[in-house]
Amino acid sequence: DTGVSQNPRHKITKRGQNVTFRCDPISEHNRLYWYRQTLGQGPEFLTYFQNEAQLEKSRLLSDRFSAERPKGSFSTLEIQRTEQGDSAMYLCASSLRDGSNTEAFFGQGTRLTVV
Amino acid sequence: DAKTTQPTSMDCAEGRAANLPCNHSTISGNEYVYWYRQIHSQGPQYIIHGLKNNETNEMASLIITEDRKSSTLILPHATLRDTAVYYCIVNRDDKIIFGKGTRLHILP
Repeated sequence: DTGVSQNPRHKITKRGQNVTFRCDPISEHNRLYWYRQTLGQGPEFLTYFQNEAQLEKSRLLSDRFSAERPKGSFSTLEIQRTEQGDSAMYLCASSLRDGSNTEAFFGQGTRLTVV
Repeated sequence: DAKTTQPTSMDCAEGRAANLPCNHSTISGNEYVYWYRQIHSQGPQYIIHGLKNNETNEMASLIITEDRKSSTLILPHATLRDTAVYYCIVNRDDKIIFGKGTRLHILP
């Protein structure tokens, strides 16, 4: 197992374009999280899934953001009509929720630059 | 919002023990204390977690006070590679909320 994989690692897009990021969690992990991180700040929670069910969305997540995990494995995060303020590192993490507390494993992130 | 309070930054000499404090005075009985760190340009990395008892693994030790209102992460022999932002998080198997963390500088 190679850990949590995120693609692409870097994305530069023009304002107004749509972008989609992919996250492949550690196999058999049923929890998947998305975070956004800007320079000098800790990761901000965006949303998380238990299998294919989206359990919670942060109020930070505007209507332009949508996340899916259709088969309970990989997940995608789409941003429509990107704005310069969307420039950030987008982090994905996964964990196994099996009745006990376990750690989350993070990917290396996708760095988005909106120009 | 994060339920923890940490110093903004700390320095530690290489080879010495780094002791990173965390206050979590509003922790609930079923919430665990987790520590993660983030090295520049990488995703956060799990270090250790605990509920009541002190814990030790190959990376660090976690000391939790008896009233559980605070904890200390100990890196026994800090190296330059331990320079990172360290996050203390309380979690009851819910979403993970990060605060600003402590920026630890290991000095040669």
